[in-house]
Amino acid sequence: AQSVTQLDSQVPVFEEAPVELRCNYSSSVSVYLFWYVQYPNQGLQLLLKYLSGSTLVKGINGFEAEFNKSQTSFHLRKPSVHISDTAEYFCAVIPNQAGTALIFGKGTTLSVSS
Amino acid sequence: DAGITQSPRHKVTETGTPVTLRCHQTENHRYMYWYRQDPGHGLRLIHYSYGVKDTDKGEVSDGYSVSRSKTEDFLLTLESATSSQTSVYFCASRPGLDSYEQYFGPGTRLTVT
Repeated sequence: AQSVTQLDSQVPVFEEAPVELRCNYSSSVSVYLFWYVQYPNQGLQLLLKYLSGSTLVKGINGFEAEFNKSQTSFHLRKPSVHISDTAEYFCAVIPNQAGTALIFGKGTTLSVSS
Repeated sequence: DAGITQSPRHKVTETGTPVTLRCHQTENHRYMYWYRQDPGHGLRLIHYSYGVKDTDKGEVSDGYSVSRSKTEDFLLTLESATSSQTSVYFCASRPGLDSYEQYFGPGTRLTVT
């Protein structure tokens, strides 16, 4: 079975500071990895995904993530955050062999203040 | 974004009453999903569908049933609502087996009093 652990439930940062949201996964098979963002009172929007190829993937809004197979991690980073990045962020995995549904972590709330 | 709508967007109901939530997608996606979102739990899969009339249980399926009579519609039914089913419910869809990305609807906030 697969599981996803988001190591920080809340991350407060100041505007223009860098941020890293941590995600580790557990799986006996290879997986594909995703980060979704949820703004207040909205649905989930895909930030970025790793399916294959370069382990550094770039997404929307200046976010990027690095897949580390040996550490089973997929941490999300942004070099300089804005107030508008305040949201909840979810890491998710799906097995790449006949996987049926995304398995989500419990989420990390990013709060950006001025 | 995939065209996914959910109805109603908000509902308050009493314990013991039946409730049906509707998810509608216009993308002809094969797979559809129902998740519930609760603080501290993230999103948990309730049921999913891999085709018309083909459904299966997810992690938290007790107390819920689903139906999919058309590709575009996926219904979630709470046969007898309980307070523990107060939650935000999200529907999602996915094009097919070779496409792993899921697209989400705006959510339905259900309160069971």
